[in-house]
Amino acid sequence: AQSVTQPDIHITVSEGASLELRCNYSYGATPYLFWYVQSPGQGLQLLLKYFSGDTLVQGIKGFEAEFKRSQSSFNLRKPSVHWSDAAEYFCAVALTGGGNKLTFGTGTQLKVEL
Amino acid sequence: SAVISQKPSRDICQRGTSLTIQCQVDSQVTMMFWYRQQPGQSLTLIATANQGSEATYESGFVIDKFPISRPNLTFSTLTVSNLSPEDSSIYLCSVEWRGRSRGYTFGSGTRLTVV
Repeated sequence: AQSVTQPDIHITVSEGASLELRCNYSYGATPYLFWYVQSPGQGLQLLLKYFSGDTLVQGIKGFEAEFKRSQSSFNLRKPSVHWSDAAEYFCAVALTGGGNKLTFGTGTQLKVEL
Repeated sequence: SAVISQKPSRDICQRGTSLTIQCQVDSQVTMMFWYRQQPGQSLTLIATANQGSEATYESGFVIDKFPISRPNLTFSTLTVSNLSPEDSSIYLCSVEWRGRSRGYTFGSGTRLTVV
């Protein structure tokens, strides 16, 4: 069965430091890959997505993610974290083709220390 | 991308009652998805709703507890029946959209508290 793993439940970084959030998936083929952010009391916001092509994708708010087929990973990065980045981050995957559900990882709670 | 209007945004309900959540999409979409997010947890898919056919439920979710309607290509409702405190969660609808690109859009969520 398809699955998504976010190994880090909680991460704390200092403001201005770099960030990497890990995501690994288990699928029979390369799925579509997404990162979402959820701030307290807010809805889900799409940060970026990967379907095909360039394995380094740029998203909003200065985030980027790199797809590594050999590692079945899609890690999210940001070179310099801002206090407003504190939120819950979800990696999600969907099978290629249409009409397929999104499966979410367990999420990583990011805390930013000033 | 599609825009979803979901309501109510929150509600407090008595145990044993039901709550119906509505999602209206600004464009026609084939499939709509309903998710549950329990406190401090990730999103879990409840069911997939196609227009004109019965919803497809994920393991652990049943139609009697979570009946879904999908009367047309822009609207769907999820009812959470016979409420218990364990049903206190955020419920979200989602659609897959396709155009020059594709993706999934989510409603703003319904925060349900059962007392």
